Amino acid sequence: GAVVSQHPSWVICKSGTSVKIECRSLDFQATTMFWYRQFPKQSLMLMATSNEGSKATYEQGVEKDKFLINHASLTLSTLTVTSAHPEDSSFYICSARGRGPTGELFFGEGSRLTVL
Amino acid sequence: GENVEQHPSTLSVQEGDSAVIKCTYSDSASNYFPWYKQELGKGPQLIIDIRSNVGEKKDQRIAVTLNKTAKHFSLHITETQPEDSAVYFCAASSTDSWGKFQFGAGTQVVVTP
Repeated sequence: GAVVSQHPSWVICKSGTSVKIECRSLDFQATTMFWYRQFPKQSLMLMATSNEGSKATYEQGVEKDKFLINHASLTLSTLTVTSAHPEDSSFYICSARGRGPTGELFFGEGSRLTVL
Repeated sequence: GENVEQHPSTLSVQEGDSAVIKCTYSDSASNYFPWYKQELGKGPQLIIDIRSNVGEKKDQRIAVTLNKTAKHFSLHITETQPEDSAVYFCAASSTDSWGKFQFGAGTQVVVTP
């Protein structure tokens, strides 16, 4: 079964609202989680790296006030898309990394966000 | 930073034939190269990976080769089956940035019966 779970798997919201996506590691403690964004027929683009108990590190061009990331525990990271707009519609995927310099790494099943 | 290029963007093969996808990377610090299979609407699934201290790795019908000098690595799928149809991504990462992947653009593989 899945070792990294994302919820919700899909969500539709109105423009201007905020949406929270959860990423949970089920069988291991994830010291680091990564958030990716994938537009249709395109590759995965890294948005940010989150370490448990510290602020996320955002990739260049990603608005940290727009995409709020919280990694409050070793098994949960959340991505909140604030004041969502249609251009934020995308497939958001997280991955979770276990302890150690080359800890186990697993991807979630992704969350499809559609902003109307 | 790292830049990963992947070719071809689409690949159509007859069932039973082989499929080869090639990637190049730019950062000599990269030392881990996974390949992921992604089906429509799902997250990527690791199918095989290789580290820089190895030149080739095989797992049943799937193999990956790495040429560190030339900075390129390839995925080989033999005896392709319809269920191999998917998008395949190569990626590169380093020990210093473990898990932080730079992905290739992806290859849509279609296996026709």
